[in-house]
Amino acid sequence: GQQVMQIPQYQHVQEGEDFTTYCNSSTTLSNIQWYKQRPGGHPVFLIQLVKSGEVKKQKRLTFQFGEAKKNSSLHITATQTTDVGTYFCAGIGGGSNYKLTFGKGTLLTVNP
Amino acid sequence: EAGVAQSPRYKIIEKRQSVAFWCNPISGHATLYWYQQILGQGPKLLIQFQNNGVVDDSQLPKDRFSAERLKGVDSTLKIQPAKLEDSAVYLCASSLGPLGYEQFFGPGTRLTVL
Repeated sequence: GQQVMQIPQYQHVQEGEDFTTYCNSSTTLSNIQWYKQRPGGHPVFLIQLVKSGEVKKQKRLTFQFGEAKKNSSLHITATQTTDVGTYFCAGIGGGSNYKLTFGKGTLLTVNP
Repeated sequence: EAGVAQSPRYKIIEKRQSVAFWCNPISGHATLYWYQQILGQGPKLLIQFQNNGVVDDSQLPKDRFSAERLKGVDSTLKIQPAKLEDSAVYLCASSLGPLGYEQFFGPGTRLTVL
């Protein structure tokens, strides 16, 4: 079945440093969504990417969808303590594999 | 706008007991999802409803788990009998439309099976 892998599993940064998490799918995706889960909280939708090579920005966050629609990344510029949490990608498979699979997430901690 | 409501927030049971979780989605949301999130992992989709019909239950352990969404609004997820490995947070989410729409998650129910 479809597998979605995320790296790194953990990332600790100093406030102001940049952060990137990568998501790779075993199959070609139709869409990819990104969620953020604060410690003790529930996942909150950040964005959805649909087109091959798509790049979207939300303030300090930049999301990319690979040309082959099998990988994606989330980059945070100049991290802040409010960025702390686990970032999940969730891939929606293409064709007959139209199912949603979450990655294991990347836990980001930020040292003030 | 009210968010997705879930109850109870916490539940502790012994193995082989039964438990039920309730979810009330955002008004007007046609799609409802139940996820299992084990500590340190991403949410795993258990079942997806479109209105009151099941779209995907391929990862639902049907020998012990059941779910229903009568009248296409709120939903219940039941485990009978529970096993130790069922200890997890059970998340309910809803969206306006099918896969590809933004999902809104509830606060979850933390289940501990002793």
